Amino acid sequence: QQQVKQSPQSLIVQKGGISIINCAYENTAFDYFPWYQQFPGKGPALLIAIRPDVSEKKEGRFTISFNKSAKQFSLHIMDSQPGDSATYFCAASLSGSARQLTFGSGTQLTVLP
Amino acid sequence: GAVVSQHPSRVICKSGTSVKIECRSLDFQATTMFWYRQFPKQSLMLMATSNEGSKATYEQGVEKDKFLINHASLTLSTLTVTSAHPEDSSFYICSAGYRVGFGQGTRLTVV
Repeated sequence: QQQVKQSPQSLIVQKGGISIINCAYENTAFDYFPWYQQFPGKGPALLIAIRPDVSEKKEGRFTISFNKSAKQFSLHIMDSQPGDSATYFCAASLSGSARQLTFGSGTQLTVLP
Repeated sequence: GAVVSQHPSRVICKSGTSVKIECRSLDFQATTMFWYRQFPKQSLMLMATSNEGSKATYEQGVEKDKFLINHASLTLSTLTVTSAHPEDSSFYICSAGYRVGFGQGTRLTVV
């Protein structure tokens, strides 16, 4: 099963709040889990990524939490800002030379000023 | 870091014509590139995997005769939408793999 399920579909957060987006996967062979941020009319940009041997990774205001036993991972955006308003995609990849990505369905985040 | 450049960013064409989209790796050699399609408010769907010097691998349901992929060099992959129709209007994005990232995308509108 190659599917990656993402929720919620949309999220509205007040400035300064915490935005949380969740993803779940089925294929235990996935070994790389990136998050992408996409603005309208632009290609996705890598935000942060994690491998299954780590339970948490933090980069600035962005944190990935990874639960291998539950096959779930989430993105936390601390101190959310209006500039964070974008669509966020989780993804997963199998090991391989070029790493084809399987994407979640996306979350439209709106941070209110 | 490595950069993938995609061109054009926007194109409008008449129904029945063909459109070519280029994806270039600017400072590295990419033996494999990926082509994705994204409809409004939807996720990225892999269309095909482009392999330098060999035939592309298409995902199920993608017409290989309609979406021609050429990867003749280690720095350039092209996607040609042949005999385009309004239903081909979409956002097309290339990638050279997770380490490299994505191109800027091409908004194709067929009128």
